[in-house]
Amino acid sequence: TQLLEQSPQFLSIQEGENLTVYCNSSSVFSSLQWYRQEPGEGPVLLVTVVTGGEVKKLKRLTFQFGDARKDSSLHITAAQPGDTGLYLCAGAGNAGNMLTFGGGTRLMVKP
Amino acid sequence: DTAVSQTPKYLVTQMGNDKSIKCEQNLGHDTMYWYKQDSKKFLKIMFSYNNKELIINETVPNRFSPKSPDKAHLNLHINSLELGDSAVYFCASSQWGAFQTEAFFGQGTRLTVV
Repeated sequence: TQLLEQSPQFLSIQEGENLTVYCNSSSVFSSLQWYRQEPGEGPVLLVTVVTGGEVKKLKRLTFQFGDARKDSSLHITAAQPGDTGLYLCAGAGNAGNMLTFGGGTRLMVKP
Repeated sequence: DTAVSQTPKYLVTQMGNDKSIKCEQNLGHDTMYWYKQDSKKFLKIMFSYNNKELIINETVPNRFSPKSPDKAHLNLHINSLELGDSAVYFCASSQWGAFQTEAFFGQGTRLTVV
């Protein structure tokens, strides 16, 4: 079973601060995705990274896939209260069809 | 139009009862899933179906029985409900064999067993 560990589990910061969330594994993934989940809703895909070393930007969010395709990070610049939510990383195995989720990072951005 | 819809959104029931959760997707995907999210927000896959065929069964008790009448529907029936079954159950769909395997989730069904 491929496992993904996310850190930190909880993060409470002030508006305007920067933060980084990490997603680590000892397994190689064919791709890695980041989802955001709000209370009472299902996870919604933010980005997919496929190539080792790949960096993708989505406004103030920067996603990076590790060179060895075992880890990923999500960096948020100048966090806003609207960024509050549960951030989940998920890796797709070599079979390409099963997603393994990390434990999630609960982010709270205070105004 | 809701891409992945599941019903009901909330379900409160007594121990020992049997209940079903329904899921439908209109994305044309051929793979559907059931995930369980516990109180700590950990999402764990339960089942995966591809074109009505069971692909993944992740050590789920026999009391849980998925049924896929067609590739747009995947229902979950639970027999003899236990307190530990309380959780949020998410249905999801994706395209089989897609390298990136992007999953689209329903809104979840919060099951409370009392």
